[in-house]
Amino acid sequence: DAKTTQPTSMDCAEGRAANLPCNHSTISGNEYVYWYRQIHSQGPQYIIHGLKNNETNEMASLIITEDRKSSTLILPHATLRDTAVYYCIVRVPHGSSNTGKLIFGQGTTLQVKP
Amino acid sequence: KAGVTQTPRYLIKTRGQQVTLSCSPISGHRSVSWYQQTPGQGLQFLFEYFSETQRNKGNFPGRFSGRQFSNSRSEMNVSTLELGDSALYLCASSEGVGGELFFGEGSRLTVL
Repeated sequence: DAKTTQPTSMDCAEGRAANLPCNHSTISGNEYVYWYRQIHSQGPQYIIHGLKNNETNEMASLIITEDRKSSTLILPHATLRDTAVYYCIVRVPHGSSNTGKLIFGQGTTLQVKP
Repeated sequence: KAGVTQTPRYLIKTRGQQVTLSCSPISGHRSVSWYQQTPGQGLQFLFEYFSETQRNKGNFPGRFSGRQFSNSRSEMNVSTLELGDSALYLCASSEGVGGELFFGEGSRLTVL
């Protein structure tokens, strides 16, 4: 079973920031939080990942709470092309026998509206 | 650099038949994993290969099998197809175990 819970769906106005929450209250100390998104009929696309510090790349920012029980993916200026299903995944670290295995939940369907 | 390539993209089979799907990873990537996506169950892990060895297997029946070749290309096979095997089968590659996964566009299988 997935170790994360996410809202089923969210709307966001084009040009505004999209904030996608994720709860992972049972996360272990050495597990990373990964975010992927899947645009309709395409394969999932890696967005960002983090352990405990906030992370930022060209696509998004990841804010992880101090207790690591939840996180938020931020798309700073959402566009229509960001409409997709966003998956928050807790992943075991390198060196674990299960590290190559991702367990996907149902994700959040983000609808960006004009 | 070319992405993950999966063939065929679409295929239709009938119950009882078998199917083989192919995945060519990104050049230099040695790890390949497979996922099944259905509307009811979502994305589910099938198996993972690294250097021609299966490292991990999901909770699927023995009808689902796979292999990886010395050039890192991978195939998965489903025998005695059932209607419930209709799904999008996704392949992902990474440089090594635990690296970021890059997914292909998938092979959409319809079983009639």
